[in-house]
Amino acid sequence: SQKIEQNSEALNIQEGKTATLTCNYTNYSPAYLQWYRQDPGRGPVFLLLIRENEKEKRKERLKVTFDTTLKQSLFHITASQPADSATYLCALDSYNQGGKLIFGQGTELSVKP
Amino acid sequence: DAGITQSPRHKVTETGTPVTLRCHQTENHRYMYWYRQDPGHGLRLIHYSYGVKDTDKGEVSDGYSVSRSKTEDFLLTLESATSSQTSVYFCAISEGQGHTGELFFGEGSRLTVL
Repeated sequence: SQKIEQNSEALNIQEGKTATLTCNYTNYSPAYLQWYRQDPGRGPVFLLLIRENEKEKRKERLKVTFDTTLKQSLFHITASQPADSATYLCALDSYNQGGKLIFGQGTELSVKP
Repeated sequence: DAGITQSPRHKVTETGTPVTLRCHQTENHRYMYWYRQDPGHGLRLIHYSYGVKDTDKGEVSDGYSVSRSKTEDFLLTLESATSSQTSVYFCAISEGQGHTGELFFGEGSRLTVL
């Protein structure tokens, strides 16, 4: 069956450290993968998109990697800050899903001062 | 912020009553989507639209219908609400589906069906 899996356990880290979140998928053929941030009571906000032929993408303190062999994407936040605390969602736009975005359940990140 | 407005933002209703949620955009984007978000399930696509009067089903479309008579408005209707439809509903828009398509989300509509 098709799955997108993110770590359901909250990730707690100390301010200044690098947060690494994981997104694994099975039985999808993704054209690209997106990451979103969601704050409590708000809608998700787009952060980054990485295509299947890209290994890495960066935006300020954010870095995303995409390994189509491992079927995994890693999302890194360097020099994390308490303001980075939120839930982070990955989403696939898969060729075999007619281009629709399929979301993972999200991982809650808590950055302590 | 993308110009997306959802209404109502909160609604409590009783089982068996009809409910309509509205999504209004000012971006003139072609694609519009309705998702529901539930603990343990994440965001799941209900229906989407790729143009006026052009709609298609998502993965959890049973019990829901949609209509899009104008580019700016996408309506989600629960013909006869059930308790399993208690959820937070998000509307999203995108300029281009698939390879160009980051989504812009509304603030959500929290629906409680008693």
